[in-house]
Amino acid sequence: DGGITQSPKYLFRKEGQNVTLSCEQNLNHDAMYWYRQDPGQGLRLIYYSQIVNDFQKGDIAEGYSVSREKKESFPLTVTSAQKNPTAFYLCASKPGGLRDSHTEAFFGQGTRLTVV
Amino acid sequence: GENVEQHPSTLSVQEGDSAVIKCTYSDSASNYFPWYKQELGKRPQLIIDIRSNVGEKKDQRIAVTLNKTAKHFSLHITETQPEDSAVYFCAASRGTASKLTFGTGTRLQVTL
Repeated sequence: DGGITQSPKYLFRKEGQNVTLSCEQNLNHDAMYWYRQDPGQGLRLIYYSQIVNDFQKGDIAEGYSVSREKKESFPLTVTSAQKNPTAFYLCASKPGGLRDSHTEAFFGQGTRLTVV
Repeated sequence: GENVEQHPSTLSVQEGDSAVIKCTYSDSASNYFPWYKQELGKRPQLIIDIRSNVGEKKDQRIAVTLNKTAKHFSLHITETQPEDSAVYFCAASRGTASKLTFGTGTRLQVTL
């Protein structure tokens, strides 16, 4: 469905634990993104990657980490340093990367993370 | 960095009326402006986009206008229908930077 898959759909984490959210795409897209969605705050960019083995911080990167070892995969780790991690996380990808930013971004179905 | 502001945060219209959502951006180098629709419980999906070399684009009941001088762009939905009810996000990006910055969203409610 859409070629970009996030897992799991729901995730519960105890305070002080790190947790990793998965994002996989089979669209051969260069660029991948992680957004956090909170009520009334829209989509805020956490990290993005324009090409394999490279990524940049977004607007709210503190407490998060990513890797881009494969073109298809862009996992997000929510660390214990993230003070308010409960949110809905969306991964997106789009073609072009460094070459062309004027293309549609496709979103995954999201992961709802709850800290218990 | 880019900052995108979006208004209103909520909008209620009667079926058949028009709806207008407005966004402003801060980075004069931004040149791509997509609009996404997110239905309840679903992922955001692109509904229309516009590039900076175009002032207006229309697709059936949806249109987007861009004023580069004033750095604002708007989404217009005519003859609204109940299935138009959703959250709409504007976004902006520039050149090859590929960073896509979103507005805070507008919750549109179309009433019968």
